[in-house]
Amino acid sequence: SAVISQKPSRDICQRGTSLTIQCQVDSQVTMMFWYRQQPGQSLTLIATANQGSEATYESGFVIDKFPISRPNLTFSTLTVSNMSPEDSSIYLCSAWRRDGYTFGSGTRLTVV
Amino acid sequence: GEDVEQSLFLSVREGDSSVINCTYTDSSSTYLYWYKQEPGAGLQLLTYIFSNMDMKQDQRLTVLLNKKDKHLSLRIADTQTGDSAIYFCAESFDHGSSNTGKLIFGQGTTLQVKP
Repeated sequence: SAVISQKPSRDICQRGTSLTIQCQVDSQVTMMFWYRQQPGQSLTLIATANQGSEATYESGFVIDKFPISRPNLTFSTLTVSNMSPEDSSIYLCSAWRRDGYTFGSGTRLTVV
Repeated sequence: GEDVEQSLFLSVREGDSSVINCTYTDSSSTYLYWYKQEPGAGLQLLTYIFSNMDMKQDQRLTVLLNKKDKHLSLRIADTQTGDSAIYFCAESFDHGSSNTGKLIFGQGTTLQVKP
């Protein structure tokens, strides 16, 4: 499977600010995804990061709050904008190739 | 729509077998997965099963799939304290589905292994 480097691994941010999370894959992948895992909860898909076009967002998530970039087949970023304490979560990126899924190690975000 | 459900908590004694159950609603899933998440760590793929199989064994792990009832289970033989973690089942979908490539996760089952 592909290997993903995700950073930062954790951050503590002030409310009202924005944080950009990066995921770098060691090889070209077909699809990339961003998930949120709220404290004690399961993983919820935020969006599918499309290479060269706008991301496809799931119900309840919007581009203004979670802008996503995917400039090429190995890299994607997720920005959490205008943060509030409710955004405190673990954010994970995932990559899919024909040989399966890989997950980044996650970004643990705390908003104060 | 898709929905994946799991029981939230399971407690077993070391050396016993653990069985974690999962039900899903969307029969168009292609693969079904079991992931393990230890405290503060990322997701680790344990095993997966293709949707046209009914059983897969991998060392201490046995996956059973009942397509008719849309029921998936993970059996861990000789459970050890190191198996204490949250276990997530997830399903993926084939090309042509509006959910192609996505993983839909259950809520996670916390497995507690007592010495």
